[in-house]
Amino acid sequence: KAGVTQTPRYLIKTRGQQVTLSCSPISGHRSVSWYQQTPGQGLQFLFEYFSETQRNKGNFPGRFSGRQFSNSRSEMNVSTLELGDSALYLCASSLGTSSSTDTQYFGPGTRLTVL
Amino acid sequence: AQKVTQAQTEISVVEKEDVTLDCVYETRDTTYYLFWYKQPPSGELVFLIRRNSFDEQNEISGRYSWNFQKSTSSFNFTITASQVVDSAVYFCALSEANGNKLVFGAGTILRVKS
Repeated sequence: KAGVTQTPRYLIKTRGQQVTLSCSPISGHRSVSWYQQTPGQGLQFLFEYFSETQRNKGNFPGRFSGRQFSNSRSEMNVSTLELGDSALYLCASSLGTSSSTDTQYFGPGTRLTVL
Repeated sequence: AQKVTQAQTEISVVEKEDVTLDCVYETRDTTYYLFWYKQPPSGELVFLIRRNSFDEQNEISGRYSWNFQKSTSSFNFTITASQVVDSAVYFCALSEANGNKLVFGAGTILRVKS
C-alpha cells in the first residue's frame, strides 16, 4: 500500500504571497490532519479533516486554511505569508472512524521557506 | 490542557548501549492515547507505538520496549543494544479520546555512535 504523499516537497515563496500544499492519504483512509514543525515551536496541530469537514482546529490564525475533497485528498493554504511561516508542514492520514482516536501515519512533509 | 514533556533534549550513546527516552504527560481526561514516533533525518515521522490509557501492560517489540505507568504519568521508551540506525529524533505524543489532534513533546535527539 502506498504511504502518504505530499507535494511539493520543497517550496520557496516571498512574504505576502500565498501557497497551497497538497496531501494524498493512504488508500482507504478518510481523515487527514496537518501539522507545522518549526525549531522554535516544535510540532503543532493545524487542523483535521474528515469526510470533507473540518473536525478539529489548532490555534493558528485564519491565514491558515484547508479543505478536503471527496476522494479524501486534502490541501492546505497559507495566505499573506510571513517569515515565521517557514516550516516543515506534515500531513498525516488515519482511518477516520467516527468516534475514536486513530493511529496517524505521516507523509514526508513539505519544506516551506519564506524569504 | 494536555501537555507532553520530554526533558532530555539530546542523548549520545555508543553502539550496543541501552538507552531510555523519558516522556511525562499531563491530561485531565480519563481516556487518552499515547504514541511514540521516530523522525530520521529525512523528516518523515515514523509511527512506533500507540497505547490507550486503560492498557498499562508494558510492550516489547524486538529491541524496543515501552513502560507505561499511569501512577507517574509516564510512558518511557527503551532501546536495547542501540544501533547507529537508531539515530533520530524521537517524539512522544498524546491524544484525547474521540479526536485525532496529537500534542507532541519537544522531542529527544538520539545519537548513536559506532
